Amino acid sequence: AQTVTQSQPEMSVQEAETVTLSCTYDTSENNYYLFWYKQPPSRQMILVIRQEAYKQQNATENRFSVNFQKAAKSFSLKISDSQLGDTAMYFCAFIIIQGAQKLVFGQGTRLTINP
Amino acid sequence: DAGITQSPRYKITETGRQVTLMCHQTWSHSYMFWYRQDLGHGLRLIYYSAAADITDKGEVPDGYVVSRSKTENFPLTLESATRSQTSVYFCASSPLDRRYNEQFFGPGTRLTVL
Repeated sequence: AQTVTQSQPEMSVQEAETVTLSCTYDTSENNYYLFWYKQPPSRQMILVIRQEAYKQQNATENRFSVNFQKAAKSFSLKISDSQLGDTAMYFCAFIIIQGAQKLVFGQGTRLTINP
Repeated sequence: DAGITQSPRYKITETGRQVTLMCHQTWSHSYMFWYRQDLGHGLRLIYYSAAADITDKGEVPDGYVVSRSKTENFPLTLESATRSQTSVYFCASSPLDRRYNEQFFGPGTRLTVL
């Protein structure tokens, strides 16, 4: 079975701090993509960052970066210089490249940025 | 540029009633998906479609029916709604090109079954 586990149901940090959200996954496949999605109070699902499993280099998008450890099946998200607008639910997910394009999601981490 | 839309945004219904949630996308994406979001479970796949007239079950398909007669529409029907189907439902789409595998989500429908 393919699963994603986010072990931190809730996190809270002060504005401008750096925060890391954890994610582990389980799959027997070798070729897949990993994602972090953000869901603000508006409920809209927004793609934050994407990582191809065949790439060793960690993906970065402005203040967002990942630490991808393929052997450990770990995919954490680091948010630098956190802002109030980063307050949201964050979901880790992956998709197998060959197959039916089905995203598998973790349970989510509720992140609150305090002023 | 409407993208992907869902209707209604909010729906309250009673146990046993039939409910249809609509999803429409303007990108001509091949793939379309239905997910439900519940506390503690993240998003779980209900059904998906690779093209018009091609649909398949996801992780939690029981109690739901889908159809896809046109590429742009992918309605989800609850044939006889139950309280356990109270949830937020998301429709998503993605192109056939698998270079990026990104799925684009609609705004969601909050369904309450009394």
